[in-house]
Amino acid sequence: GAGVSQSPRYKVAKRGQDVALRCDPISGHVSLFWYQQALGQGPEFLTYFQNEAQLDKSGLPSDRFFAERPEGSVSTLKIQRTQQEDSAVYLCASSLGVLSSYNEQFFGPGTRLTVL
Amino acid sequence: KQEVTQIPAALSVPEGENLVLNCSFTDSAIYNLQWFRQDPGKGLTSLLLIQSSQREQTSGRLNASLDKSSGRSTLYIAASQPGDSATYLCAVIMDSSYKLIFGSGTRLLVRP
Repeated sequence: GAGVSQSPRYKVAKRGQDVALRCDPISGHVSLFWYQQALGQGPEFLTYFQNEAQLDKSGLPSDRFFAERPEGSVSTLKIQRTQQEDSAVYLCASSLGVLSSYNEQFFGPGTRLTVL
Repeated sequence: KQEVTQIPAALSVPEGENLVLNCSFTDSAIYNLQWFRQDPGKGLTSLLLIQSSQREQTSGRLNASLDKSSGRSTLYIAASQPGDSATYLCAVIMDSSYKLIFGSGTRLLVRP
């Protein structure tokens, strides 16, 4: 594809519902990142994948957050039992290279999650 | 822990004005620094990337400088236009890392 795509673009959930956010990275990109951006703040790192391996999940705020990338391409960020504090824009980024060297990260448009 | 701060948080200027956005970071052991632009409802667009060994980068009307020892970077926008209105984010990557660490951004409004 031409760039990183994310779906849905907007999601409204009632507190306690489970949600799943999808990211389609640029074809061939090895690395995939998820970031969380609260209103008026900069994005904060959640998790990192190299191909299908989740190498870093240190930024996930609680065990209600789970991410996967089973075939090393599309990734899903799942949030269980959503809370109001989960309301944010969730950004996905991909890069061509691997952990050992920095490659530019290309960002998707994000999914805006609102928990009522 | 690395902290990135951007000043001002918001800025409103008339069209044509030259302006400077500031970014500071607490730990100078950075690998590089990037400036991004974010439009409402859109993702992040990379504007300029400065390697830690570089002092500045230029792209069109944009110039970014880096003073690693003092923990500061500035983004200079010449002859601002209404189309420059957006949020500008500064981010660093630490040595041997891959995580972007962002500031909170500067919301810029360029008035016609």
